[in-house]
Amino acid sequence: KAGVTQTPRYLIKTRGQQVTLSCSPISGHRSVSWYQQTPGQGLQFLFEYFSETQRNKGNFPGRFSGRQFSNSRSEMNVSTLELGDSALYLCASSPGLADSYNEQFFGPGTRLTVL
Amino acid sequence: DAKTTQPTSMDCAEGRAANLPCNHSTISGNEYVYWYRQIHSQGPQYIIHGLKNNETNEMASLIITEDRKSSTLILPHATLRDTAVYYCIVTGRGSTLGRLYFGRGTQLTVWP
Repeated sequence: KAGVTQTPRYLIKTRGQQVTLSCSPISGHRSVSWYQQTPGQGLQFLFEYFSETQRNKGNFPGRFSGRQFSNSRSEMNVSTLELGDSALYLCASSPGLADSYNEQFFGPGTRLTVL
Repeated sequence: DAKTTQPTSMDCAEGRAANLPCNHSTISGNEYVYWYRQIHSQGPQYIIHGLKNNETNEMASLIITEDRKSSTLILPHATLRDTAVYYCIVTGRGSTLGRLYFGRGTQLTVWP
C-alpha cells in the first residue's frame, strides 16, 4: 500500500498571504488528522476529519481550516499568514472507525516558511 | 486524555536494550498507552500500544504496570537508527479517535 503523501513538501510565503496544503491518506483510511510542529510548541493537534466531517478540533484560531473530500483526501488552509505559522505541517491517516485503535500513519510533512 | 511524563533525554549503547519510562498516573480504565517515535525531520511513526497486558511486536515491547500508572517501552537491541524522539501518549477510542496529544517526548540517542 502506498503511504500518506503530502504536497507540496516545501513552501515559502509572505505575511498576509494564504496557503493550501494537501494530504492523500492511505487507501481505505477515512480519517485524516492535521498537526503543526514548531520548535517552541512541539507537535500540536489541529483538527481531524472523518467521512468529510470535522470530528475533532484542537485549539487553533479560525485562520486554520480544513476540509475532506469524498475520496478521503484532505486539504488544510491557513489564511492571513503570520510569521509564527512557520512550521512543519503533518497529516496522518487512520481507519477512523469506532472500534479501531488510534494507530495513525503520518506523512513526511510540508515545511512552510513565512517571510 | 491523561497527561504523561517522560524524561527529556536518555542514551544507550548500540546493541544494548533501551528502556524508556513513562508515567501516566491519571490514566482511566478505558484509555490505552501508545508509543510513537519521530526520527529527525520525518513524520512520527507508530510503534506499539497496550491496555493492561504486556505487548510485543517486531519493533519493541511494552510493559505496563499492574496499576497502569506507568509503562516502559523496551527496544531490545538498540541500533543507531533508533535515535529519535519517543512519545508516550494516553488516549481512548471512540470520539477521541484521530486526535493525539504529543508531549515533549524523550530524545533517545544511541551511541556506537
